[in-house]
Amino acid sequence: ETGVTQSPTHLIKTRGQQVTLRCSSQSGHNTVSWYQQALGQGPQFIFQYYREEENGRGNFPPRFSGLQFPNYSSELNVNALELDDSALYLCASSTRDRGGAFFGQGTRLTVV
Amino acid sequence: QQQVKQSPQSLIVQKGGISIINCAYENTAFDYFPWYQQFPGKGPALLIAIRPDVSEKKEGRFTISFNKSAKQFSLHIMDSQPGDSATYFCAASPYGGATNKLIFGTGTLLAVQP
Repeated sequence: ETGVTQSPTHLIKTRGQQVTLRCSSQSGHNTVSWYQQALGQGPQFIFQYYREEENGRGNFPPRFSGLQFPNYSSELNVNALELDDSALYLCASSTRDRGGAFFGQGTRLTVV
Repeated sequence: QQQVKQSPQSLIVQKGGISIINCAYENTAFDYFPWYQQFPGKGPALLIAIRPDVSEKKEGRFTISFNKSAKQFSLHIMDSQPGDSATYFCAASPYGGATNKLIFGTGTLLAVQP
């Protein structure tokens, strides 16, 4: 186990709704990244947070936003949910730029 | 140019055999290359990683071979076991060695037959 925990594990939302996913990073890790993994695909980088600020973003629209808290835990918020947002959302924690990224078990989001 | 191409899509190996998964990239700025193992319903687990200043790295039964001039890298699993059956992803970082801003390949589903 990596020590990265995500909640909830599963979630069903209706198109147009908003969702918040949560992540507690591994002890000693100050950097959190979020990834979206569609079924049968590799994870895609959404964004990274370091020292409570966004530190890089992938090709995702602004309705994907996040927060990092002083204890390095993090939230991913998605507004105006679309059917294509259905995926496994993964949080990965690391020290800044070194030491490898360690993933949580993910949150399975289904948008209906 | 930001892609990482992975092959094969699926692989069947007999117990005790060698599993080989290949990845290729185009962006010469990539400088961190990890491999992840993912079981159904779980998050990816970091197996082994390499930086381009070495051509090979070995950890237990897992070896990364890296060919900088060809812009290719591969994972070798020696003495493959049924417990190795999982999906394997290669990845690369184009962000100056950042280990948590990764571009992933499309995955290889490995089945090791007893």
